Amino acid sequence: SQQGEEDPQALSIQEGENATMNCSYKTSINNLQWYRQNSGRGLVHLILIRSNEREKHSGRLRVTLDTSKKSSSLLITASRAADTASYFCATDPPGTASKLTFGTGTRLQVTL
Amino acid sequence: DAGITQSPRHKVTETGTPVTLRCHQTENHRYMYWYRQDPGHGLRLIHYSYGVKDTDKGEVSDGYSVSRSKTEDFLLTLESATSSQTSVYFCAISDPTDLQETQYFGPGTRLLVL
Repeated sequence: SQQGEEDPQALSIQEGENATMNCSYKTSINNLQWYRQNSGRGLVHLILIRSNEREKHSGRLRVTLDTSKKSSSLLITASRAADTASYFCATDPPGTASKLTFGTGTRLQVTL
Repeated sequence: DAGITQSPRHKVTETGTPVTLRCHQTENHRYMYWYRQDPGHGLRLIHYSYGVKDTDKGEVSDGYSVSRSKTEDFLLTLESATSSQTSVYFCAISDPTDLQETQYFGPGTRLLVL
């Protein structure tokens, strides 16, 4: 069963706008990661947020984590056409020793 | 792709035939993983390895076996391929000492079982 579920499944925005994707999960976690996948390629790690952190930034990325609601959000500011990709959250529940459980992904389309 | 190669990159096979996919890394990372990716399911873990000859099952291991005789190679075998195993298969690696716990992914293998 999927640990993470992303919302929305698909998102289309114009270049320069902000994109927000949400992830909900079911069990307690050690950390939550976000990955990007360009069409036909493998996944690329974007950012990790630990269970004791509430917010983290990396360049144009902002990730929040609410462990009480078992949810996370990924915000991409000032989006670019190159941000077009699928985005996945992945959780690392306690006791799973580096095994990640991935969500179903959000497909982001950024148009000019 | 962080020194990870997968072979073959594309394969078409028939139901009932054995298939072996290879993942090769040059990073000397201890952990290796095999995932399958299907529409609507994201990535699902098939098998993983914590070291040479140290493997364990993931979420969707039925019909698959793995072997790891060297640090750099992790083989995934479909003993008797079925149409439900048509998928894109990704290998990933990670270093247990990495504080960011990053998994690095290979380019994927597209498998079609007819």
